[in-house]
Amino acid sequence: DVKVTQSSRYLVKRTGEKVFLECVQDMDHENMFWYRQDPGLGLRLIYFSYDVKMKEKGDIPEGYSVSREKKERFSLILESASTNQTSMYLCASSTLTGERADTQYFGPGTRLTVL
Amino acid sequence: GQQLNQSPQSMFIQEGEDVSMNCTSSSIFNTWLWYKQDPGEGPVLLIALYKAGELTSNGRLTAQFGITRKDSFLNISASIPSDVGIYFCAGHSRAAGNKLTFGGGTRVLVKP
Repeated sequence: DVKVTQSSRYLVKRTGEKVFLECVQDMDHENMFWYRQDPGLGLRLIYFSYDVKMKEKGDIPEGYSVSREKKERFSLILESASTNQTSMYLCASSTLTGERADTQYFGPGTRLTVL
Repeated sequence: GQQLNQSPQSMFIQEGEDVSMNCTSSSIFNTWLWYKQDPGEGPVLLIALYKAGELTSNGRLTAQFGITRKDSFLNISASIPSDVGIYFCAGHSRAAGNKLTFGGGTRVLVKP
């Protein structure tokens, strides 16, 4: 079974703090994704990566950065957290090849609250 | 970004009922995926469809990849209380690269 884990289920941070959200997958997937999910807005793609050290902006990259130093790990960084970044953050991964290419598997989510 | 048209937005179920939801798009997709999300959790993949016309079951769940490649439906038979949650469809097209396009979700609730 594909397993995607996220470092924290719940986080509370203060405005201006630097926040790191970590995601690890154990299926040797090439692609990894970060989304945020807000009521009424659905899933919105922040950044994705298709290889180590590679990253691409999604639909809402402003205020975020990412890091992919190892294939299994994809980090989302909030350089200076703001209250409008309070949200549910979801990590996902997918393979590039084979029949199940581009089928994304999600982690359990991190509920971030910025005070 | 683009979103798939998923309907209904919400529905009430009574134990034992069959329920159905669908997704439509103006674009062609090569893959259709159905996920379920429980409150406070991440989406869990229920069924993946890779060929037009494909009909796939997973327990009491059945999903079909529309022959036009522009739609998909999910049926839940003999619903039970733990079927409550939000169901999302997602589609992938080669033109979109690695990214998925998501539906807005169908919220399934239990009739009081």
